[in-house]
Amino acid sequence: QKEVEQDPGPLSVPEGAIVSLNCTYSNSAFQYFMWYRQYSRKGPELLMYTYSSGNKEDGRFTAQVDKSSKYISLFIRDSQPSDSATYLCARNSQGGSEKLVFGKGTKLTVNP
Amino acid sequence: ETGVTQSPTHLIKTRGQQVTLRCSSQSGHNTVSWYQQALGQGPQFIFQYYREEENGRGNFPPRFSGLQFPNYSSELNVNALELDDSALYLCASSTGGQVNTGELFFGEGSRLTVL
Repeated sequence: QKEVEQDPGPLSVPEGAIVSLNCTYSNSAFQYFMWYRQYSRKGPELLMYTYSSGNKEDGRFTAQVDKSSKYISLFIRDSQPSDSATYLCARNSQGGSEKLVFGKGTKLTVNP
Repeated sequence: ETGVTQSPTHLIKTRGQQVTLRCSSQSGHNTVSWYQQALGQGPQFIFQYYREEENGRGNFPPRFSGLQFPNYSSELNVNALELDDSALYLCASSTGGQVNTGELFFGEGSRLTVL
């Protein structure tokens, strides 16, 4: 079983839609969860991270972690064509190294 | 854009050859991590270097090796290339102190094709 499971999509939505991206993870020992965005032919960039359970909001983006169900979500409100990218969920590792475990990524297209 | 630069951007090799990929980390960052991203997959951790020492390794064979230099730039070397080594190789730098937030600054990657 992969440690972080993510539906690869692709997901296509009209401009202005609310987008929900989801991941599940298998090990409840880890505390930090991240969402990275990767544009085509670019490296990933950190969008948001959350610690333990709860919500974190940054503009049109909301990250949510539900530790009881081991579920990670990213919501994008008022989606824009510039949001078209692959979204990668990740968790950190015990021991404090920079070893992140990523999901496969979900490819999102926002159509104008 | 991050200050992490990688070279070369693209390269083609044949099975059995060796390759060296290079990375310059962002100014002020002393930790470099390397990831392999196969097509349609998320990045997979190869190893990390902190102050010129390997500091963590993923599930990759010994033919994947690396170096970090005093200026914190880094190299990834892969010997005896296999077809499955075809992937985007990503370098990420960080300050080491922000470990738990998972804030890595990635370069644009080196795309390796093995024929």
